Amino acid sequence: LAKTTQPISMDSYEGQEVNITCSHNNIATNDYITWYQQFPSQGPRFIIQGYKTKVTNEVASLFIPADRKSSTLSLPRVSLSDTAVYYCLFTGGGNKLTFGTGTQLKVEL
Amino acid sequence: EPEVTQTPSHQVTQMGQEVILRCVPISNHLYFYWYRQILGQKVEFLVSFYNNEISEKSEIFDDQFSVERPDGSNFTLKIRSTKLEDSAMYFCASSDPPVGQGGDYTFGSGTRLTVV
Repeated sequence: LAKTTQPISMDSYEGQEVNITCSHNNIATNDYITWYQQFPSQGPRFIIQGYKTKVTNEVASLFIPADRKSSTLSLPRVSLSDTAVYYCLFTGGGNKLTFGTGTQLKVEL
Repeated sequence: EPEVTQTPSHQVTQMGQEVILRCVPISNHLYFYWYRQILGQKVEFLVSFYNNEISEKSEIFDDQFSVERPDGSNFTLKIRSTKLEDSAMYFCASSDPPVGQGGDYTFGSGTRLTVV
């Protein structure tokens, strides 16, 4: 079963760039890499999805190397409101999402 | 931005009672899901639903659980004879296409179920 590994927690300060790396050594050919954000007592919110190379949207960038064994979510210039749990997931070969424990990002002044 | 709407936001029920959690998925989505999150734990998949039938369910989704799409807009989760351990946040989600084909999920804001 494909599995992701990410740091349990990270701390940052407002205005800094934050990079959260996820390892996924046994990713399958048909798997996409998807990142979600979750605030306390709210549902997970889609951030970004990619298959390979780099994807950028209005809130984040996702870097995926050629071997696809890892991916890095980059959040530019974080603010206090970016304090949340960030999940790296595989999305492929089925409909369900399998969440891990995620990375708790804490942003301070 | 389209939303998945869940009601109620918080429900308190007596152990042994039946509860129905309601969801209105995004209107053009065809795939529907229920997840739950016990306080301080992971988000767990319960069930997926497509074309008016269950397409996949987890071990958690036993005979006390059922889902239904009673009309063209609502998607419900029924828990018969609730137990204390059913206390959790329940999230509804919808997608189109299914997420494995590059689509994304949209989650609702959840229903906090407290069984006393």
